Amino acid sequence: GEDVEQSLFLSVREGDSSVINCTYTDSSSTYLYWYKQEPGAGLQLLTYIFSNMDMKQDQRLTVLLNKKDKHLSLRIADTQTGDSAIYFCAERTEDKLVFGAGTILRVKS
Amino acid sequence: DTEVTQTPKHLVMGMTNKKSLKCEQHMGHRAMYWYKQKAKKPPELMFVYSYEKLSINESVPSRFSPECPNSSLLNLHLHALQPEDSALYLCASSQPDRDNEKLFFGSGTQLSVL
Repeated sequence: GEDVEQSLFLSVREGDSSVINCTYTDSSSTYLYWYKQEPGAGLQLLTYIFSNMDMKQDQRLTVLLNKKDKHLSLRIADTQTGDSAIYFCAERTEDKLVFGAGTILRVKS
Repeated sequence: DTEVTQTPKHLVMGMTNKKSLKCEQHMGHRAMYWYKQKAKKPPELMFVYSYEKLSINESVPSRFSPECPNSSLLNLHLHALQPEDSALYLCASSQPDRDNEKLFFGSGTQLSVL
């Protein structure tokens, strides 16, 4: 079945690293995604990872994938106040994207 | 141009009104989507158009009627909506690719049904 789970809330201090976690259920997913949504805005694709990769780094963002445990994480280095938003992970399954419930990231200055 | 443009940004309508939401992209994407998002919830897929043909309808009530006049435009016609239909309606587009579906979202239309 389709079920993508995320922790609901994360609070970090400015300059620290943030780690947002996600678990998914469809082992046949080929790509997994991280989207960011700021208040009153649409979703912005941050990064994605192919299922045969363990890690992908893109500037301050690092994605780790543990396919055996179906666990995906997003690490944001040197977190800034502008990173405050809701972060959704998503998996591609049965011809559509399934989103997790979203993690609210709050960055304290 | 990497934008998906949605109009209007906000819409208030009564339950007897007829209105339309519009979406436009000029990235040459041939797949376009409508999502509905309630507050503090993830987006839920409503419709998918691929090459201007409706390919997915997620059992959406008939009071929502999608239309894809051409490869750049996507409309959502609304009629006899209910207050529980109040939500953020997001349009998205992508290049149809079975394996890697990178969606680009518009900013959404915030709809309130009175």
